[in-house]
Amino acid sequence: ILNVEQSPQSLHVQEGDSTNFTCSFPSSNFYALHWYRWETAKSPEALFVMTLNGDEKKKGRISATLNTKEGYSYLYIKGSQPEDSATYLCAFKDSNTGKLIFGQGTTLQVKP
Amino acid sequence: DSGVTQTPKHLITATGQRVTLRCSPRSGDLSVYWYQQSLDQGLQFLIHYYNGEERAKGNILERFSAQQFPDLHSELNLSSLELGDSALYFCASSIQGSGYGYTFGSGTRLTVV
Repeated sequence: ILNVEQSPQSLHVQEGDSTNFTCSFPSSNFYALHWYRWETAKSPEALFVMTLNGDEKKKGRISATLNTKEGYSYLYIKGSQPEDSATYLCAFKDSNTGKLIFGQGTTLQVKP
Repeated sequence: DSGVTQTPKHLITATGQRVTLRCSPRSGDLSVYWYQQSLDQGLQFLIHYYNGEERAKGNILERFSAQQFPDLHSELNLSSLELGDSALYFCASSIQGSGYGYTFGSGTRLTVV
């Protein structure tokens, strides 16, 4: 059974705070690691797809790192804004099966 | 608009019935994926089709089936519905290849009463 774990489950921060979340995934059969942003009443939107150990990706104030050997990825948000409030999902793509398995997500609430 | 179209948006039906959910992928995407999100559960992978062929199966019940047609649209058929099948069903599509994320539709909210 593939386990993709995200922590924390939820997070409340003040506007301007920087924050980070963790995604743990199996260290074998790695193909890719995805991050998605899911706003309430919308559908998940892809943020990053990372495929190589040591990958770092950045989009505006959001960045992500990847360690495939130890099976973790971090998502960082610098200077959180209320519009960053959403659930952030990571997903592990298995090289054997091709399945993309999602974690339960980290729900971020940014207070003005 | 993500480019992935799911219909209907909402569906209310009785236990024992059968329903069909439809998905049109983004133009140019050959892969279609179905996911289920039940209450307090994350996105659960159901099935993946690529250019009309089944590629991977997740925890999909035997009462559920899917297919992808030559025009690449896909249908998810749910039969002998139970209360526990009430969920949000998402379809996603992607370009084949490791570097691409999935594009999700807006989902179909199924309520079984």
